[in-house]
Amino acid sequence: ELKVEQNPLFLSMQEGKNYTIYCNYSTTSDRLYWYRQDPGKSLESLFVLLSNGAVKQEGRLMASLDTKARLSTLHITAAVHDLSATYFCAVDVRGGGADGLTFGKGTHLIIQP
Amino acid sequence: GAGVSQSPSNKVTEKGKDVELRCDPISGHTALYWYRQSLGQGLEFLIYFQGNSAPDKSGLPSDRFSAERTGGSVSTLTIQRTQQEDSAVYLCASSLAGGAYEQYFGPGTRLTVT
Repeated sequence: ELKVEQNPLFLSMQEGKNYTIYCNYSTTSDRLYWYRQDPGKSLESLFVLLSNGAVKQEGRLMASLDTKARLSTLHITAAVHDLSATYFCAVDVRGGGADGLTFGKGTHLIIQP
Repeated sequence: GAGVSQSPSNKVTEKGKDVELRCDPISGHTALYWYRQSLGQGLEFLIYFQGNSAPDKSGLPSDRFSAERTGGSVSTLTIQRTQQEDSAVYLCASSLAGGAYEQYFGPGTRLTVT
């Protein structure tokens, strides 16, 4: 059974600081997704990582994928309050969509002024 | 363009009643997914459609759950004889095709079983 583990699950940080969220998964996969969810809202796609060594950046967020280590990271640079949300990583193992995505439990991020 | 839409946005039902949840995917997206999100279980994959067919229904939590998709577009998720543990937010997503394509999520239906 595929397991996706995120850590930390809860993070409170100050504006201007840097931090990294980690996502480990238990089965070989080269398809890793990051989503953001605001309270009471649906999931917003942030990054799609499809190969070993993939790195994508959008504003203050940067995601990377190491398929050999089965690890993805989401790095936050100089955090701002607007980035407060819950961040999920998700893995697609079989491709073809047949298994859907397996999600981590989410990292609840609070950025304090 | 229009995103994924779901209806109703909220549904309160009594235990034992049947409910039907609807999903309208993004136009042209052939793949459609149902997930549910609850505090206890997090985000769980339920079922995937490629066109009108669902190759694997084993993700559905029990035989009270069924889903169909018609015309390669709208999908309905039906829960019969609802139980309190069915209370959750049911999310629908669509993608251009199956595989590595990005999944776009709808706003969800919040189901409360009393």
